[in-house]
Parts: sequence; C-alpha cells; structure tokens
Amino acid sequence: AQKVTQAQTEISVVEKEDVTLDCVYETRDTTYYLFWYKQPPSGELVFLIRRNSFDEQNEISGRYSWNFQKSTSSFNFTITASQVVDSAVYFCALRDSNYQLIWGAGTKLIIKP
Amino acid sequence: DTAVSQTPKYLVTQMGNDKSIKCEQNLGHDTMYWYKQDSKKFLKIMFSYNNKELIINETVPNRFSPKSPDKAHLNLHINSLELGDSAVYFCASSSRLASYNEQFFGPGTRLTVL
Repeated sequence: AQKVTQAQTEISVVEKEDVTLDCVYETRDTTYYLFWYKQPPSGELVFLIRRNSFDEQNEISGRYSWNFQKSTSSFNFTITASQVVDSAVYFCALRDSNYQLIWGAGTKLIIKP
Repeated sequence: DTAVSQTPKYLVTQMGNDKSIKCEQNLGHDTMYWYKQDSKKFLKIMFSYNNKELIINETVPNRFSPKSPDKAHLNLHINSLELGDSAVYFCASSSRLASYNEQFFGPGTRLTVL
C-alpha cells in the first residue's frame, strides 16, 4: 500500500535554529515522485519541491534543503537558520503510478522569536 | 492574476442546505481536483477531472457532485449539508493527468455548517 508518514506532529524551535522535518514513504512503484508543500497560517498550499525516484541528489534552495534516501524510503526537509516566517504546516506527498497524491498528515512547525 | 481561484472563500450555512463552490484555473491545465482538509489538517482527495471527465471519485457521499463545464472550471455542489461537511475545501490543477508535475492549489473555501 502507498503511504506517507510524517511522524512529527508538531515541532517548536527558537529562531535561527536548524530544524529537520521527517518524511517516510511506502510504495511498490519503481517510478514515483515526492513533493513537499507548505501551508502557512494564511491557509494556502504552496509547492516547495518535487523529486523523482531516479534522482537521489540532494537539493538546496537558499535556507531549505532536502535529503532523499531511497535506501531508507525517506525524503527529509531541513530548514537552516529558521525564521518566524517559516512557521507553517509542512506536508510531504507521494505521487504514485496512478497519478494520485498521497499525503502525509503534516508537521506543524512553530518558530519562536 | 490568480492561477487557481475559488469562490467563496468563506461559506457559513445551515444543515440541510445546498451550496456550491466554484473553481477556475487560468493555467491551461487539463486536470483539476477537489480536496477536503479536516480540522486536523488531513488532506483527502475527493475528485479528479481530466479534460472534463471524472477520473477519480474517492469514497465521497453522493451528496457531493462535481461539475466541469470546461477544462478551466471544476465546481463542487453539495446537497443536504451535514455538520461533518465542515472543512476547508481546496481546488487544485495540474498540467496533465499522466504527469508528475506539481499541483497548484486555490486559496481554499472554509465551509462551516451550523
């Protein structure tokens, strides 16, 4: 069965700390895509990154970085030097061979000033 | 220009009423979706349309009926509203069904059933 697990329900850190959000997925497909979305308090869902199953290179975009490890079926997201504006719910999702997005339950990230 | 728009943003209504939520995308995408997000933030796919045809219809009460008059629009009509229908409903679109491109989301419609 396809499944995405975000075991951390809520994380709270002080501004400028680094924080890693975990995402573990299950799939039998050999071709699949993984996504991260951000949902700030304003409520909209914002796309952050897409990674396909054949590309295990890590990705860095400013203070954001993603670590994709097929061996552990994980696609973790790290924010370096966190800022209050990073406070949001972050979702990991898996797009399978049926083209459906399977969502994790989300991790609520609170950055305290 | 908003890529995916939904109206209304807020909808408060009484149990038993019928209501509609409209969605439009100006991205030229072929595929559109409706999601329901409950109070615990859990996102669940409800429907998916590709070129105006229903592709995915998850286990959703038949009180919910999507309508796609054209590729750019996917409206959601809900009959006989119940308390449990209270949630945020998101419309989304992606370029093609057989594509792994990201989905673009509308701002959401917060439905409150009293």
